[in-house]
Amino acid sequence: GENVEQHPSTLSVQEGDSAVIKCTYSDSASNYFPWYKQELGKRPQLIIDIRSNVGEKKDQRIAVTLNKTAKHFSLHITETQPEDSAVYFCAASPPIQGAQKLVFGQGTRLTINP
Amino acid sequence: NAGVTQTPKFQVLKTGQSMTLQCAQDMNHNSMYWYRQDPGMGLRLIYYSASEGTTDKGEVPNGYNVSRLNKREFSLRLESAAPSQTSVYFCASSPPPGAKFVFGPGTRLTVT
Repeated sequence: GENVEQHPSTLSVQEGDSAVIKCTYSDSASNYFPWYKQELGKRPQLIIDIRSNVGEKKDQRIAVTLNKTAKHFSLHITETQPEDSAVYFCAASPPIQGAQKLVFGQGTRLTINP
Repeated sequence: NAGVTQTPKFQVLKTGQSMTLQCAQDMNHNSMYWYRQDPGMGLRLIYYSASEGTTDKGEVPNGYNVSRLNKREFSLRLESAAPSQTSVYFCASSPPPGAKFVFGPGTRLTVT
């Protein structure tokens, strides 16, 4: 089955700097790659996603890139702010009959230092 | 429009007790899912239901059963709770063609 590896497990950056989180996946049939942000004690919230027919997607300060050949994708956050501090999860979605399921990475705890 | 709701929010069980976690969505989504979240391990899929009347095992189904009661509701049952089932449980739903998951607020379960 699908396996998703996420790095680093913790990341600390100065406010205003950029942060990059990387994920690799194993199943070449996976065709959807979302990123979730989870604040302490809260549910995961979708922040950006990309489908396998697209190489890059941007939404204001957040961007995701996908390299299907190498089977890896990355989250880029520019001009980081204190409210970006949270745990971020990547996921890959292999198609299954009638639905899609998400296989998550282990998470990255991002800390923005003022 | 409440999205995905879960009950209870918190629960403490003794080893061997049983309980059912309830999940409901009002977005007319076809697919529903149960995940558990443990520290350092991300979210792992327990069971899912692609559509009303169908259920399938995920990565970690042992010790759990599910029921897709109707299109709105998907429950998770622990028949004989064990300390290894101490976790935060999230229900999620997604519309066709799927994948934009919406998560519920979670149930924090402790088994002593």
